[in-house]
Amino acid sequence: NAGVTQTPKFQVLKTGQSMTLQCAQDMNHEYMSWYRQDPGMGLRLIHYSVGAGITDQGEVPNGYNVSRSTTEDFPLRLLSAAPSQTSVYFCASSYSWTGTNTGELFFGEGSRLTVL
Amino acid sequence: QKEVEQDPGPLSVPEGAIVSLNCTYSNSAFQYFMWYRQYSRKGPELLMYTYSSGNKEDGRFTAQVDKSSKYISLFIRDSQPSDSATYLCAIGTGRRALTFGSGTRLQVQP
Repeated sequence: NAGVTQTPKFQVLKTGQSMTLQCAQDMNHEYMSWYRQDPGMGLRLIHYSVGAGITDQGEVPNGYNVSRSTTEDFPLRLLSAAPSQTSVYFCASSYSWTGTNTGELFFGEGSRLTVL
Repeated sequence: QKEVEQDPGPLSVPEGAIVSLNCTYSNSAFQYFMWYRQYSRKGPELLMYTYSSGNKEDGRFTAQVDKSSKYISLFIRDSQPSDSATYLCAIGTGRRALTFGSGTRLQVQP
């Protein structure tokens, strides 16, 4: 199993450009999410999905769109990139939280985005 | 005030030392307490988790939760250079409501 795969690993954008960060998981996880990690700020939840066709906002959703057409894929779209979106982005997935499992999040290796 | 506070370090210790990493939190409703380890340029991975006050041990690692003080700790015994990483606490009321600490960078010197 590859686990959670993110592409691209690195990207440089100019202000105003759009792009999509790809995330795929092969563990049949229902839950998928996107975080951004900034120095001194920890990981902050952007958007999440509890299954195909269902998405919701996290703590910092502004400037980002998501969709979930399949169980495996959860792309994150930046519609008009801003320097404030310079960050490291992590996709994470987990099994449904039943109360009896840990709800462990499995993270990808990250996508480093710089917006000039 | 942040909901979860974590000393960013960096913390440098000699090999074999006992390491203590800590987080404080402000929301008494938090009931899930986790520690993630993140190696440089990698994604975090779950190290320890607990849903109650008290201690939980796994090999050289011990997670401690004190709900009355809103304080959690991770102890690493006989630290190894391979333990050099950033340690993130994650505290919350559920998977969608986890608040991560900013992480403590640990360096274990051989």
